[in-house]
Amino acid sequence: GNSVTQMEGPVTLSEEAFLTINCTYTATGYPSLFWYVQYPGEGLQLLLKATKADDKGSNKGFEATYRKETTSFHLEKGSVQVSDSAVYFCALGMDSSYKLIFGSGTRLLVRP
Amino acid sequence: NAGVTQTPKFQVLKTGQSMTLQCAQDMNHNSMYWYRQDPGMGLRLIYYSASEGTTDKGEVPNGYNVSRLNKREFSLRLESAAPSQTSVYFCASSRVSFNYGYTFGSGTRLTVV
Repeated sequence: GNSVTQMEGPVTLSEEAFLTINCTYTATGYPSLFWYVQYPGEGLQLLLKATKADDKGSNKGFEATYRKETTSFHLEKGSVQVSDSAVYFCALGMDSSYKLIFGSGTRLLVRP
Repeated sequence: NAGVTQTPKFQVLKTGQSMTLQCAQDMNHNSMYWYRQDPGMGLRLIYYSASEGTTDKGEVPNGYNVSRLNKREFSLRLESAAPSQTSVYFCASSRVSFNYGYTFGSGTRLTVV
């Protein structure tokens, strides 16, 4: 079946460090891919998305490229801030379904 | 502010008690969803409603029932709560397709003792 695998956390970085959170997927067909962010005590918010291969999604300094050849959608940011501390979820959706499938989430902690 | 409103925010139940989690959205979205979030397991879909008048099971529907009361409201009912249902529950909504993104509520933290 379709699934999403994320790197385990927590990921701890110093402010202004480079961030990569790995996400790979398994899907029959061509999914749309998403990154959601969850700040403490809140629901998830859409961060960025890509709907076809080689698309790059970007928002708030974060970016991710849909790589069909490696079935990956890694999240990157060049310089993280303390305010980026949150849990990040990778997700996929298939056109044949209304549903999103989420990964297990990766907690990011950025220290001053 | 427009969005998804969940009530209550916190709840403690005794084993065997029943309760209904309420969810309402004011964005004229067609589809609504209930997820549960457990440590290390991400979000798992309980039930969803693709459109008003329809509901379907997700990945973990056992022990739950849902009602799509109208286009705005989608409730989740626990008929006989069990400790395994201790979790954080999120309601979400979307336009016709997930490609527009889900809008999530702020969650209900449920503890069953």
